[in-house]
Amino acid sequence: DAKTTQPTSMDCAEGRAANLPCNHSTISGNEYVYWYRQIHSQGPQYIIHGLKNNETNEMASLIITEDRKSSTLILPHATLRDTAVYYCIVGSSGGYNKLIFGAGTRLAVHP
Amino acid sequence: GAGVSQSPRYKVAKRGQDVALRCDPISGHVSLFWYQQALGQGPEFLTYFQNEAQLDKSGLPSDRFFAERPEGSVSTLKIQRTQQEDSAVYLCASSFRQSSYEQYFGPGTRLTVT
Repeated sequence: DAKTTQPTSMDCAEGRAANLPCNHSTISGNEYVYWYRQIHSQGPQYIIHGLKNNETNEMASLIITEDRKSSTLILPHATLRDTAVYYCIVGSSGGYNKLIFGAGTRLAVHP
Repeated sequence: GAGVSQSPRYKVAKRGQDVALRCDPISGHVSLFWYQQALGQGPEFLTYFQNEAQLDKSGLPSDRFFAERPEGSVSTLKIQRTQQEDSAVYLCASSFRQSSYEQYFGPGTRLTVT
């Protein structure tokens, strides 16, 4: 599975967009990009996933570059409850989806 | 509806004791995963079940770790002769089918070995 690189930490003001980058330069053609987040003392929570097209759901948007070597998770209007560690994960769609977590980005949303 | 539940939420064990951690996945979910999360790090995969079959146990750190899911629903992770390095949060996740993109995680069991 391809490895990912994320900044260790980021800050965001409440109500502003939070843009979380992820590099995955060794991603292969059949690998998806997944984003999960983990709020303190809870289990990780699925946010969104994509292959090559940009994706949007009720939680966030995922922008994947054309060469698929990097992506950005966008939280359009961050709230204090979005403070969490965000994990960018690359994995295959085939078979069972064993998630390989890195260290993630610690996002702090402040008033 | 009910999510994934785990019990106990906290467990303190003396070094050398055996422990058993329980996971109740979402009803009807075929796939079940166990992960281990050390303090300040991301979760690490331990093992995977499809129904009652353990298809991948490549992440189990030693033969002291054993997992089972005998009826394809509830799963138990057992650690024998616990060591201090076993101190971690143990997370269980389930998904509807093998190829599902989304895994639903429980709150975890925090194990402290003294």
